Amino acid sequence: QQQVKQSPQSLIVQKGGIPIINCAYENTAFDYFPWYQQFPGKGPALLIAIRPDVSEKKEGRFTISFNKSAKQFSLHIMDSQPGDSATYFCAASKYGYNKLIFGAGTRLAVHP
Amino acid sequence: DGGITQSPKYLFRKEGQNVTLSCEQNLNHDAMYWYRQDPGQGLRLIYYSQIVNDFQKGDIAEGYSVSREKKESFPLTVTSAQKNPTAFYLCASSGESDTQYFGPGTRLTVL
Repeated sequence: QQQVKQSPQSLIVQKGGIPIINCAYENTAFDYFPWYQQFPGKGPALLIAIRPDVSEKKEGRFTISFNKSAKQFSLHIMDSQPGDSATYFCAASKYGYNKLIFGAGTRLAVHP
Repeated sequence: DGGITQSPKYLFRKEGQNVTLSCEQNLNHDAMYWYRQDPGQGLRLIYYSQIVNDFQKGDIAEGYSVSREKKESFPLTVTSAQKNPTAFYLCASSGESDTQYFGPGTRLTVL
């Protein structure tokens, strides 16, 4: 019940494409869903986060879609650029519980 | 500069040695965390602390120890009992919101 399943494990797109990364969770008590971006040898950085009271959130070229009934959420990167090449992690937690449960990560490569 | 610092960036350990990884934050956050990251895997929680002088085991605490004597500091000791310590170690902190902010990491290698 504590797992967050992330797919795909790796993804290759051409510049300008729209990579989509999916995550699924089991614990219906989760109410905070962040996405982190990590470059090689660096710590993860918060990219965007969503709570279950909305179905979509956009920040720049990054969009989270959230489907509460299916217990799934996804990250879309519009007009992807080579600089977006990184590993992306989804996560989930229950408000005030502090502990984040991370997905296994998706390694994205955007080719010029 | 506000943020989380980790030192050293690279650390080498001989078999049977204990080593301590440093994590400091000046964000005035109450909660701090230690994660381990192995190649191609997600982040696994080692220990976390929600307040000074208190900490809890995470999912993979065996072979590790921590202390939280000051709000700003949460050092992690990798003991000789940890059989496979080679990994990338990440420290994080969080305040009143659920957002966790990560440090730059320490890469530990066993020689």
